[in-house]
Amino acid sequence: GNSVTQMEGPVTLSEEAFLTINCTYTATGYPSLFWYVQYPGEGLQLLLKATKADDKGSNKGFEATYRKETTSFHLEKGSVQVSDSAVYFCALKPGGSEKLVFGKGTKLTVNP
Amino acid sequence: DAGVIQSPRHEVTEMGQEVTLRCKPISGHNSLFWYRQTMMRGLELLIYFNNNVPIDDSGMPEDRFSAKMPNASFSTLKIQPSEPRDSAVYFCASSHLPIEKLFFGSGTQLSVL
Repeated sequence: GNSVTQMEGPVTLSEEAFLTINCTYTATGYPSLFWYVQYPGEGLQLLLKATKADDKGSNKGFEATYRKETTSFHLEKGSVQVSDSAVYFCALKPGGSEKLVFGKGTKLTVNP
Repeated sequence: DAGVIQSPRHEVTEMGQEVTLRCKPISGHNSLFWYRQTMMRGLELLIYFNNNVPIDDSGMPEDRFSAKMPNASFSTLKIQPSEPRDSAVYFCASSHLPIEKLFFGSGTQLSVL
């Protein structure tokens, strides 16, 4: 089946620290991969995506590379800000399907 | 654009009562998705519509749950009768198909006492 596994949270960092949130997936075929972010009291928003192997998605200083050989799509940011505090969700869309499969989310707190 | 609009934002009800959640998708989007979010199970897809037609309702937990989309600008998710284990945040999302980006509403926090 299709599934996404994210690192357990919560993650707490100081401002300007380096961020990595691990995500691995299991899927049949060639899925598209996504990172969504959820700020408190809001719905999820697309942060970045990659549709094929070796693609790098990037947005707002975040980036993730689609690694087919390791079935991974880890999220990174070089220097986090307090405003990055949110819950981050890794997701996949299997080829030929419109049903996104989400990981359980990782809560990030950035302290000043 | 106003985005995906959900109502109510919060709903508190007693076990056995009927609950109706409402969603207005982004104008022009041809697909609509209902998700449920809980701490234990994360985000689960309940049902999705394409051009107002239900395409996949395999995620609807049981017959107490029903969803309708009478037109392109409105959808409802109904729970009858509600139970405490239905307590969760329910999200509506819309998109063009094939999905490049899902647009989520702010959710309805449902508490069934």
